[in-house]
Amino acid sequence: EDKVVQSPLSLVVHEGDTVTLNCSYEVTNFRSLLWYKQEKKAPTFLFMLTSSGIEKKSGRLSSILDKKELFSILNITATQTGDSAIYLCASPGAGSYQLTFGKGTKLSVIP
Amino acid sequence: DVKVTQSSRYLVKRTGEKVFLECVQDMDHENMFWYRQDPGLGLRLIYFSYDVKMKEKGDIPEGYSVSREKKERFSLILESASTNQTSMYLCASSEWSATNEKLFFGSGTQLSVL
Repeated sequence: EDKVVQSPLSLVVHEGDTVTLNCSYEVTNFRSLLWYKQEKKAPTFLFMLTSSGIEKKSGRLSSILDKKELFSILNITATQTGDSAIYLCASPGAGSYQLTFGKGTKLSVIP
Repeated sequence: DVKVTQSSRYLVKRTGEKVFLECVQDMDHENMFWYRQDPGLGLRLIYFSYDVKMKEKGDIPEGYSVSREKKERFSLILESASTNQTSMYLCASSEWSATNEKLFFGSGTQLSVL
């Protein structure tokens, strides 16, 4: 059975801090790993990673994949209150187009 | 801009009622999905469809059925709602592509079954 595990499940930081969110996976015939941000209702896409060691970056957010150790991290630098959200990690299952999601990390950024 | 629209943001129903949750996408995507999201459990797949009139069970299909009569519309049906189906329901769609599994989500329907 495919598995995606995120840690920590929740995190409280102060504005300006840097945070690292973790995602480990056990997925048959791994193809990709995706990160989403869920602020209110609809999760919105952040990154899709397919290759080890290549950092994807968007503003203060960045992510990297380690296919040998089967994990990914999402970094957020200089956090702002607008970064408060649930961050979801997911990977497609073997031979299918459905995503297996982790339980998410709830990030709270306080002023 | 791409759009997945769920018909209701909030819904309150009584136990035993038949409930329809509607989802429409305007991206001509082949794949459509229904997830439920519960605190501590994350997103769990209920059903998905990869073509009109085609459906596949996800991880938790019990108590649910789906309908896809048109490519753009995917309906989730609770035949006889129960209190344990109180949850946030998220619809999503994606292209039919082995190299692009990116999902586009609707805004969700918070269903309360009393």
